[in-house]
Amino acid sequence: GAVVSQHPSRVICKSGTSVKIECRSLDFQATTMFWYRQFPKQSLMLMATSNEGSKATYEQGVEKDKFLINHASLTLSTLTVTSAHPEDSSFYICSARDYLAGGNEQFFGPGTRLTVL
Amino acid sequence: AQSVSQHNHHVILSEAASLELGCNYSYGGTVNLFWYVQYPGQHLQLLLKYFSGDPLVKGIKGFEAEFIKSKFSFNLRKPSVQWSDTAEYFCAALSGNEKLTFGTGTRLTIIP
Repeated sequence: GAVVSQHPSRVICKSGTSVKIECRSLDFQATTMFWYRQFPKQSLMLMATSNEGSKATYEQGVEKDKFLINHASLTLSTLTVTSAHPEDSSFYICSARDYLAGGNEQFFGPGTRLTVL
Repeated sequence: AQSVSQHNHHVILSEAASLELGCNYSYGGTVNLFWYVQYPGQHLQLLLKYFSGDPLVKGIKGFEAEFIKSKFSFNLRKPSVQWSDTAEYFCAALSGNEKLTFGTGTRLTIIP
């Protein structure tokens, strides 16, 4: 099946620094990738939809200047948390859809746990 | 706006018991429905999905779900659970705008 990877799996940073998270589709091309945030014991909340070669579409309440998304190729999307603060600590998960294979199934990455001190 | 609700937050069962996890969605149009499982420390995996056709959908690991349009429900079932089924289960709906909306999840604990 389709595989999606994320790097890093875990990151700890100081408040005020920026952190970049990578999401890669390993064996398929993904014109669209999605970024979710999951708080402890809560569900996944869609943050933004990342489209290859164009600007990301952000959900209501998500600051686009704080969560920078770049989808420069068909296999890579990045999420940069700028000037991170402790309240940004969370589990960030990406997913990708294989349009060539058809269907609406999203394949999820393993997630990145961000801890901001 | 589309929403998905899972009323069972934490379910505890003994091995071999039967399982049913509730999922209700609110969306009037065509909707695709999914059940995902997240084992401890692992990423989300698809258990099963419903797009159209037979409302009784069979998935992996002996799970099945039934789409009941009149009740806006897509409950997950398994006749006999195992200890290895301990995990978090998420129901999700995909609507016409292609955004996946997740329920709050149900934590399932199986006691050996």
